[in-house]
Amino acid sequence: QKEVEQDPGPLSVPEGAIVSLNCTYSNSAFQYFMWYRQYSRKGPELLMYTYSSGNKEDGRFTAQVDKSSKYISLFIRDSQPSDSATYLCAMSPWRTGTASKLTFGTGTRLQVTL
Amino acid sequence: GAGVSQSPSNKVTEKGKDVELRCDPISGHTALYWYRQSLGQGLEFLIYFQGNSAPDKSGLPSDRFSAERTGGSVSTLTIQRTQQEDSAVYLCASSSGTGVQPQHFGDGTRLSIL
Repeated sequence: QKEVEQDPGPLSVPEGAIVSLNCTYSNSAFQYFMWYRQYSRKGPELLMYTYSSGNKEDGRFTAQVDKSSKYISLFIRDSQPSDSATYLCAMSPWRTGTASKLTFGTGTRLQVTL
Repeated sequence: GAGVSQSPSNKVTEKGKDVELRCDPISGHTALYWYRQSLGQGLEFLIYFQGNSAPDKSGLPSDRFSAERTGGSVSTLTIQRTQQEDSAVYLCASSSGTGVQPQHFGDGTRLSIL
């Protein structure tokens, strides 16, 4: 079983819809949670970065973390065709004094149609 | 520079040849990471550097893989005697300081082994 599970999709929604993307994880040491967006033939681009349980909002994006359920979500409001990409969740344990590798989900392909 | 720069962007080589992949991190970033992304797989951690030292090499798949970083800046990932299973996108990321800082990715090197 993978440490981080993510539905690969594809997920197809009409423009303007609210999109919900999710990941579950098994390692309770994970404390930092990130969402990346990856366009075709490009590197992952950081969207959201959270530490604590609860919600964090940035424009049309809201990241939600529920550590008790080991479940994280990314919501996209008023989705646009330019949001069509692969969305990767990533997480890391807490570390002091040294940097830490990220463990990624496999990514969910999102298609926003006109 | 403004972002993480990787070269070459594409590399096609014959099985058994050696390849070198280069990463130029964001200026001032002390931590540098290498990941591999295979078709249908999530990003897989390979190695990370803090300055010029590599505290975590746990993701290198075999002794054919090695990496170095000089001057706390540019890093080179070398794959010797390439095999077809080495075909993947190799991504480099950098982050500032220590602790869990957001990682910023380059666009990767797309490696194809014939």
